[in-house]
Amino acid sequence: DTAVSQTPKYLVTQMGNDKSIKCEQNLGHDTMYWYKQDSKKFLKIMFSYNNKELIINETVPNRFSPKSPDKAHLNLHINSLELGDSAVYFCASSRPDAGGATQYFGPGTRLLVL
Amino acid sequence: RKEVEQDPGPFNVPEGATVAFNCTYSNSASQSFFWYRQDCRKEPKLLMSVYSSGNEDGRFTAQLNRASQYISLLIRDSKLSDSATYLCVVNRVEYGNKLVFGAGTILRVKS
Repeated sequence: DTAVSQTPKYLVTQMGNDKSIKCEQNLGHDTMYWYKQDSKKFLKIMFSYNNKELIINETVPNRFSPKSPDKAHLNLHINSLELGDSAVYFCASSRPDAGGATQYFGPGTRLLVL
Repeated sequence: RKEVEQDPGPFNVPEGATVAFNCTYSNSASQSFFWYRQDCRKEPKLLMSVYSSGNEDGRFTAQLNRASQYISLLIRDSKLSDSATYLCVVNRVEYGNKLVFGAGTILRVKS
């Protein structure tokens, strides 16, 4: 009964490869997000989708492409991986509430580019 | 200057101590505020929302001062299990609920 799940949990790959990370939520939320947490532990938003529509697109290299086949899924595809892409990538989902949006995070995908 | 600034710590305190974390934010358009907690190698989890009137949840008290753009978190009677990184978060609702995270304050509670 995992609320927000991501696969894979760990990803080790070579520079130049293309990889995808998948995210699914079973909370019935309309909005999903991708965040990157770098080695300094700073958590920064990359993208958000609301009901399959792109809402937030931060300054992210266009090697990163999110895809939302339906509102329960938001996948992240990364082309031509670089050393600097090594980080933990978190997916999250939210529902609107009175104080803004409470976001529920997945367990993270630890990406290491060699 | 970062949009959300926190003292990174670490704060090393004994069990039972009271500890306070502070946070400042630079954008007065920020509309809602939160404290999240992140355990080592885990995902962030919402600890509590922060309201102008101040709010309390058990041993945790959060305060917001909009005029000073300042947020605080007070933890009373610290437990070993409180050891974690505490993330101050502001919500930019006008950008579709864009959460902006501080870099986090590390708390270590020792017996």
